[in-house]
Amino acid sequence: GNSVTQMEGPVTLSEEAFLTINCTYTATGYPSLFWYVQYPGEGLQLLLKATKADDKGSNKGFEATYRKETTSFHLEKGSVQVSDSAVYFCALPLSSYKLIFGSGTRLLVRP
Amino acid sequence: DVKVTQSSRYLVKRTGEKVFLECVQDMDHENMFWYRQDPGLGLRLIYFSYDVKMKEKGDIPEGYSVSREKKERFSLILESASTNQTSMYLCASSSTTGLGGEQYFGPGTRLTVT
Repeated sequence: GNSVTQMEGPVTLSEEAFLTINCTYTATGYPSLFWYVQYPGEGLQLLLKATKADDKGSNKGFEATYRKETTSFHLEKGSVQVSDSAVYFCALPLSSYKLIFGSGTRLLVRP
Repeated sequence: DVKVTQSSRYLVKRTGEKVFLECVQDMDHENMFWYRQDPGLGLRLIYFSYDVKMKEKGDIPEGYSVSREKKERFSLILESASTNQTSMYLCASSSTTGLGGEQYFGPGTRLTVT
């Protein structure tokens, strides 16, 4: 069945550093892939998505490319800000309406 | 704008009490979900509903029940709260016709059972 694995945190960076959060998956076929973000004290919100292989999802300076060769969907940002401090979840569908989430990676950005 | 609201942000209950957590969405979504979130365990699905009065168990349904009498409202019920149900509870909704798996979340209810 489908599964997702993401790197453990916390990840601590200085402002303007480059960010990578790794996510790999196993799946039947080529499902859509998602990154969700959870800011402190809030629920999750969709950050970006990719619907097919080689697609690049992007939003708020974050990017992730759907790579079927390596079954990966790594999240990247060229220059992080303090306001990016949050928990990031990689996710893919388990069925037509259920999602499976990675364990979450906490990002802390220091000024 | 898409909106999922939860009845309380913080709740403190005593062991043995019956607890109701309410979730309302204004997007006419068919699917609604209840998750719990615990440190080190990520999000775990408790129950979901794909239509009014329809429900399916998720990964950890024990000790919980749900009710969906109207399309916009999905309630999570703790029949007899226990301390191991202290957690953050997140409600979500999604459309059957939308991108498979794209869910919209409420702000969460942090429940403490003493």
